[in-house]
Amino acid sequence: DQQVKQNSPSLSVQEGRISILNCDYTNSMFDYFLWYKKYPAEGPTFLISISSIKDKNEDGRFTVFLNKSAKHLSLHIVPSQPGDSAVYFCAALFRDTDKLIFGTGTRLQVFP
Amino acid sequence: DSGVTQTPKHLITATGQRVTLRCSPRSGDLSVYWYQQSLDQGLQFLIQYYNGEERAKGNILERFSAQQFPDLHSELNLSSLELGDSALYFCASSVDGGRPQHFGDGTRLSIL
Repeated sequence: DQQVKQNSPSLSVQEGRISILNCDYTNSMFDYFLWYKKYPAEGPTFLISISSIKDKNEDGRFTVFLNKSAKHLSLHIVPSQPGDSAVYFCAALFRDTDKLIFGTGTRLQVFP
Repeated sequence: DSGVTQTPKHLITATGQRVTLRCSPRSGDLSVYWYQQSLDQGLQFLIQYYNGEERAKGNILERFSAQQFPDLHSELNLSSLELGDSALYFCASSVDGGRPQHFGDGTRLSIL
């Protein structure tokens, strides 16, 4: 049973435009969410996170939005750059645990 | 560079064999986590150690075991290997609290 879902396996965006990556979850007991970026032959790199008590968190070009009623979060990248081309994983945590539950990832390609 | 070191980067072996994967956490991190990523899948949590003690267990097979040593490095032992064990194995570490976890570049295990 996939508790964290990324339904779009891939996304292609033009440089300078906005990239929106989506993630849905099924368990309302998740209390913390993270986004990781992964380049080929490297491990996932932490990007940005959000607590369930917030609905938005921003860090430079990256913003994460959380809609608890819809059990949905999204990662916005503005403006998109070619170096953003990677696989993006959404992950979730239950309160008082460190066991990350990952989605299957979305491959983002930013073209010139 | 996340500061988490995994060795070896690649491992090729045969069914029925046993292998050991090694992880050195970031300096100061007490928690070590192991994840498995099979083809086109998200990362699946296997096990967590904190300061030498097992703290949480995921879907780790009985053929797999892990430990964390006094110097805080960790080893994941995989025995009686099967073709389906071919995957990327990632180690992550964190200061206690797990948010966020920082990942190594993984060990790619290929079973022939």
